[in-house]
Amino acid sequence: GQNIDQPTEMTATEGAIVQINCTYQTSGFNGLFWYQQHAGEAPTFLSYNVLDGLEEKGRFSSFLSRSKGYSYLLLKELQMKDSASYLCASRNQAGTALIFGKGTTLSVSS
Amino acid sequence: NAGVTQTPKFQVLKTGQSMTLQCAQDMNHEYMSWYRQDPGMGLRLIHYSVGAGITDQGEVPNGYNVSRSTTEDFPLRLLSAAPSQTSVYFCASRGRGNTGELFFGEGSRLTVL
Repeated sequence: GQNIDQPTEMTATEGAIVQINCTYQTSGFNGLFWYQQHAGEAPTFLSYNVLDGLEEKGRFSSFLSRSKGYSYLLLKELQMKDSASYLCASRNQAGTALIFGKGTTLSVSS
Repeated sequence: NAGVTQTPKFQVLKTGQSMTLQCAQDMNHEYMSWYRQDPGMGLRLIHYSVGAGITDQGEVPNGYNVSRSTTEDFPLRLLSAAPSQTSVYFCASRGRGNTGELFFGEGSRLTVL
């Protein structure tokens, strides 16, 4: 089976840096994903990690440690528009579908 | 560029009624999935398909049926709706290749009275 844990809520201020953690337990690792979902909208893809280390994409970076079953999403220079839910997901054992965590709701204030 | 199209966007049903949520994608994607999203529960996988004629159960399949007769279409059927099936439903697809980026439809909000 799979189990993905992430904090329920986080708050931060504009211009700050925030790190959203995700721990996972999967039988057969096939990659770790992060998605962003604004209220009332569909999720959109942010990042994908399959090897250990940091992947940087502009203000967003994602880190993976396979030995620790741990990932984080790092958001720099926070903007109000970054207020959203951030979903951590891993592939199922067969590699055919994504299983999501419950998501972390990030609120950015001025 | 239509991407993934879901219909209807909103639906109200009475307990015991049946209905089908439609999902179509025009990207020639092999993989398609249905998720439901409830407050505090995240996205939960209902059913998925790895190609035409092949479907499999996800985390919460009870009360739902799917079929995949073509690459483009992946309808989700509720045979006898229950209030517990009140939710927002998302269809998603992805192509071959390792990034696994899912493309989501806009969602269908279903209320069962």
